[in-house]
Amino acid sequence: DVKVTQSSRYLVKRTGEKVFLECVQDMDHENMFWYRQDPGLGLRLIYFSYDVKMKEKGDIPEGYSVSREKKERFSLILESASTNQTSMYLCASSLLTGTLNEKLFFGSGTQLSVL
Amino acid sequence: DAKTTQPPSMDCAEGRAANLPCNHSTISGNEYVYWYRQIHSQGPQYIIHGLKNNETNEMASLIITEDRKSSTLILPHATLRDTAVYYCIAYQTGANNLFFGTGTRLTVIP
Repeated sequence: DVKVTQSSRYLVKRTGEKVFLECVQDMDHENMFWYRQDPGLGLRLIYFSYDVKMKEKGDIPEGYSVSREKKERFSLILESASTNQTSMYLCASSLLTGTLNEKLFFGSGTQLSVL
Repeated sequence: DAKTTQPPSMDCAEGRAANLPCNHSTISGNEYVYWYRQIHSQGPQYIIHGLKNNETNEMASLIITEDRKSSTLILPHATLRDTAVYYCIAYQTGANNLFFGTGTRLTVIP
């Protein structure tokens, strides 16, 4: 089974801190995604990546950046954390099959609280 | 991607079939219908997907109407562990991402 591992389950940070959320997948997937989930808003895509060193903005990239130096690892960076970035962050990966499948595999999430 | 509409919540008795509806009246011919679920405190989990034919796997069945404007996810014998939020998504291959709405919160009652 595909395993997507997020480094922290819970994280508490202070306003203005630089925050790194790490995600690692073990199935050689090309695609990796970062979503945030807030009550009543569902999941919203922040950034995604099709390949090493490639990144694309999602629906809500403001205040975030990403890094993909290795195929298995996709990092989400909050350059200067703010309270409105308190949220559940979910990482996902998928295989670029070219066969019309887009099955996402998700990690368990990181609940980030910015105080 | 086509917008989907789901009821916000449903209850189902344990052991009974859970039928979760989804409307996607603006779906285009090359958009698939995907279903995911999210159990509390976990990431979403893929369940099933289809284009126009009905599909079945070990987790569920997917029934898509002939005009493709709606679909139903069927959990044939719901258990307490099926309590979760279920997301119906219309996805076009090549699109950037799956759009997860707010889904249907299914509660399986003992």
